[in-house]
Amino acid sequence: EVQLVESGGGLVQPGGSLRLSCAASGFSFSTYNMNWVRQAPGKGLEWVSYISSSSSTIHYADSVRGRFTISRDSAKNSLYLQMNSLRAEDTAVYFCARGASPSFYFDYWGRGTLVTVSS
Amino acid sequence: DIQMTQSPSTLSASVGDRVTITCRASQSISIWLAWYQQKPGKAPKLLIYKASSLESGVPSRFSGSGSGTEFTLTISSLQPDDFATYYCQQYNSYWTFGQGTKVEIK
Repeated sequence: EVQLVESGGGLVQPGGSLRLSCAASGFSFSTYNMNWVRQAPGKGLEWVSYISSSSSTIHYADSVRGRFTISRDSAKNSLYLQMNSLRAEDTAVYFCARGASPSFYFDYWGRGTLVTVSS
Repeated sequence: DIQMTQSPSTLSASVGDRVTITCRASQSISIWLAWYQQKPGKAPKLLIYKASSLESGVPSRFSGSGSGTEFTLTISSLQPDDFATYYCQQYNSYWTFGQGTKVEIK
């Protein structure tokens, strides 16, 4: 069974940093592209970042480029999102999502972890 | 950037109703469109990919159609478990979601 479990969320002050993790199991993690998607309270879904299976291709949404860094560790079956210079508008539930192979829609999602940016 | 616009934003319907949600892209995305269902406090669930392909395990009352810039998600006979919010997503150029359509009980 495919499982994605996010962790690392919490309360952080504006300008602070946080590192999210997503533990993957039930599939060959090293062969799948992965993504982060966020959802602000009461709002819709916003794609945040993409990393290819080999980490050779990375993309970011304009809203986070230069502040967030996506990475992965296939030895640990884990996906990461390093978030720096956090703003109030980054407050959201952050989901990790698997990219369907060989296509690019998202076939499995984790349950999310809440990040709150507030003083 | 490709913008996705869903309509309506909210839809009131009864069990057994046929429901249609529309999604329009700001430029052609061919057939690179997916539909997701999300219930409160839960992760989104994939329903449809490549505009009209039904994900394994999804009931056949869900169907998708369209190409280019206009797409629809249809629920042929609404069931109690279908009251949720639905999102379209383009994956032709990066990824963009529609703003969502909440299907509520009439």
